[in-house]
Amino acid sequence: DTAVSQTPKYLVTQMGNDKSIKCEQNLGHDTMYWYKQDSKKFLKIMFSYNNKELIINETVPNRFSPKSPDKAHLNLHINSLELGDSAVYFCASSQAGLDQETQYFGPGTRLLVL
Amino acid sequence: AQSVTQPDIHITVSEGASLELRCNYSYGATPYLFWYVQSPGQGLQLLLKYFSGDTLVQGIKGFEAEFKRSQSSFNLRKPSVHWSDAAEYFCAVGGSNTGFQKLVFGTGTRLLVSP
Repeated sequence: DTAVSQTPKYLVTQMGNDKSIKCEQNLGHDTMYWYKQDSKKFLKIMFSYNNKELIINETVPNRFSPKSPDKAHLNLHINSLELGDSAVYFCASSQAGLDQETQYFGPGTRLLVL
Repeated sequence: AQSVTQPDIHITVSEGASLELRCNYSYGATPYLFWYVQSPGQGLQLLLKYFSGDTLVQGIKGFEAEFKRSQSSFNLRKPSVHWSDAAEYFCAVGGSNTGFQKLVFGTGTRLLVSP
């Protein structure tokens, strides 16, 4: 009954590979987000989708492509992985107008690129 | 553009002592302010939030925070720290120029609790 879930929890892969991270929320929210937390714990927004439409794209390399098949899911596909992509990726969700847009976070996906 | 400063990278507090974590923000309008906690290897848990109204807000786990507009601050406090409070604490400000909110986080403060 996890509110925001992510798979996988850990991901270890080689440079140059393509990988995907999945996120699902069962809160009925209409807005979802991807954040990146670097090795210094700094958290920065990457993307946001509202009702399957992209609304925030924070100057992220186009190797990163989010996809939202429906309101409850926001997946992140990364092409040609680089060492600098190693980080923890957090998914979050919120409902515009409800609870004044508090964002609820998933447990994170720890990506290590070798 | 909004920004958040958490001036303390690490803080060590004795168990049972009081705690205050500092947060200063920069935002042109009335901000939405949040404190999140991240335990080692875990995700982010919301401790408390401020949108409007009473400037002293209560959160979970005995935490509270006070919004001071004149100082652009939103400091987190707890009267008596427990060993389980050892974690990374993030202050965040929410704002929007698109009609949809994005959070800008501070760099975090790591809380260490000594016996």
